[in-house]
Amino acid sequence: GAGVSQSPSNKVTEKGKDVELRCDPISGHTALYWYRQRLGQGLEFLIYFQGNSAPDKSGLPSDRFSAERTGESVSTLTIQRTQQEDSAVYLCASSLVGGEQFFGPGTRLTVL
Amino acid sequence: AQSVTQLDSQVPVFEEAPVELRCNYSSSVSVYLFWYVQYPNQGLQLLLKYLSGSTLVKGINGFEAEFNKSQTSFHLRKPSVHISDTAEYFCAVSRPSNTGKLIFGQGTTLQVKP
Repeated sequence: GAGVSQSPSNKVTEKGKDVELRCDPISGHTALYWYRQRLGQGLEFLIYFQGNSAPDKSGLPSDRFSAERTGESVSTLTIQRTQQEDSAVYLCASSLVGGEQFFGPGTRLTVL
Repeated sequence: AQSVTQLDSQVPVFEEAPVELRCNYSSSVSVYLFWYVQYPNQGLQLLLKYLSGSTLVKGINGFEAEFNKSQTSFHLRKPSVHISDTAEYFCAVSRPSNTGKLIFGQGTTLQVKP
């Protein structure tokens, strides 16, 4: 595809359940980022992948959050034992190294 | 650590009027500066960026911003707004030697009225 895609676009889950969010970056983009946007707040950095280097996980808010990326393709963000404060829009972005970040449309997560 | 403050959460303005959206940052090291726009029900789109060189940068849709190092500001301006400029605007910084991760402000909603 031409841009970054994310799925699902919306996810409603019950407190305590695990969720998995998917990001398909632009082909050829070696860098991939996950951000979170809570209601009325700016975006918060979560995690960064670059090629085969160790990811920068410094933004993950707790050990319930984890992410994986296979090579330079798809990434999944997993939230275990979801809490109501995890409700947010989760955005993925990809870029060439040092280049402009292109954002996906986001996944809106609602934890009941 | 870097931080970004957008001084106005909402800016109402009439069509064809000028507008300025304010952004201040704090950092002990040099930074790159960005403005992103998020139109309703769309993803974030880069408006403009400052990496180095001229402090006045021009972006898409007639927007421009000026980097002021002494005031640690990067305000966004447009001389005449359109209804279609109604959107959420985010200021962001990153460190040149870092991973490129962006630190965002809380956003400013620009509401253009007819």
